[in-house]
Parts: sequence; C-alpha cells; structure tokens
Amino acid sequence: QVQLVQSGSVEKMPGDSVKVSCTASGYTFSDYHMHWVRQAPGQGLEWMAWIDPQNGDTKNAQKFQGRITVTRDTATSAAFLELSSLSSDDTAMYYCTRDLARYYASGSGFWGQGTLVTVSS
Amino acid sequence: DIQMTQSPSSLSASVGDRVTITCRASQGIGNYVVWYQQRPGQVPSLLIYSASTLHSGVPSRFSGSGSGTDFTLAISNLQPEDVGTYYCQKYNSAPYTFGQGTKLEIK
Repeated sequence: QVQLVQSGSVEKMPGDSVKVSCTASGYTFSDYHMHWVRQAPGQGLEWMAWIDPQNGDTKNAQKFQGRITVTRDTATSAAFLELSSLSSDDTAMYYCTRDLARYYASGSGFWGQGTLVTVSS
Repeated sequence: DIQMTQSPSSLSASVGDRVTITCRASQGIGNYVVWYQQRPGQVPSLLIYSASTLHSGVPSRFSGSGSGTDFTLAISNLQPEDVGTYYCQKYNSAPYTFGQGTKLEIK
C-alpha cells in the first residue's frame, strides 16, 4: 500500500533553515508528482510546491520564491522540502502529498502524516 | 494567479440534513477541482476529484458538481462523522491553490 513517511517534528530559531523529508513506498516513486502543503495552527491548507520525481522539475508558490527548495532522491524514493529564513509565520504542520494519477496533477490522493515545524526564539 | 473562494466559511446543520459548499474560481478551470475533508486533528483526505468523481471508499452521500468557475460539494443525509473542515483545490496548473475552507458542525 502507498505510504508517505515524513521526518519528525523540529524546532528552529528565526532565521534558520529547515529540511523536511518524505519517504515513499508501495509504488513506483518516479511515476507520480508530489506536493508540499502546509497548515499553520488553526488555519487552512496552503499549497507550497510541486516536484516531478522523474526529472526533478519543480514549481512553487510565488510567496516562497527565493527561500524554498524542493528536491528528490530517486535512489531512496524520498522527496525533500527546504525552507530558509524562517520566521514565526512559518510555524505550521508541513505535509507531503502524492498525486492520485500517474504523470500529471490530479489531486492529492495520499498524504504523509505531517511534520510540525515550530519557529521560536 | 487564480483564486479559489469558498463559501460559507462555516455552517451548522442537523443529522440527516443536506448541505452544500461552493467554491468559485476567479477564472475558468474546466473540471480541475478536488475536494478534501479534514476531520478534527486528522490529516486531510481526498473526497472528490475531477469536480464530480467520488474517490475510492468515499460514501455516496458525498457528491460534487460544476465546471468552469463554479463548483459545489454536497453532503446528503449528514452524519456525525462528517464534522470537520472541507477544502476545494484547483489543479489545472500551478499554483494549486486551496479555498479557505468551510467548517462544518453538527447542531
């Protein structure tokens, strides 16, 4: 069965960077696009970025331009989100998700368990 | 960027009622809309894709409709386990924007 297992919760200081991992299993990693979505406490869902694991192509939301990096390692079936210049506004649960259908955007049919990133001085 | 405007932001209904949630895109997006349910304290889960196709395992009392700019999620015969927040999302092209969410409570 499809599983997305994310790295554990972290606490960071303002100005730091954070790197969250998402390890996939139960399917061919390269065949499905992956996304990163975050949710601040008590707030709604916010789409951050997308990666095509087959070729490494990425797109991200404009608000994160310059401080977001999304990568993948096909050898370990893992995707990574790195966010720099953290502020308290980045305190949120971060989710990796997998598209429902192969090769194209189709909605997030599978979700990781979430990684809580807390930014505090 | 295309915006997704959901309404209402919250609603309260009784068990057995039928409720509807709407999502309006600022530009036409065909049928490239999905709906998610997020129960309290849980990870979101996919309900409907391609605007109207029920995801595997989702009860048939959930339904979706619409195309272009206006989309609707309907829940008939409301059940206590339907409590949570519902989100629409566009996926025709990046950015894959979510609606603001609709919090559903049971009276």
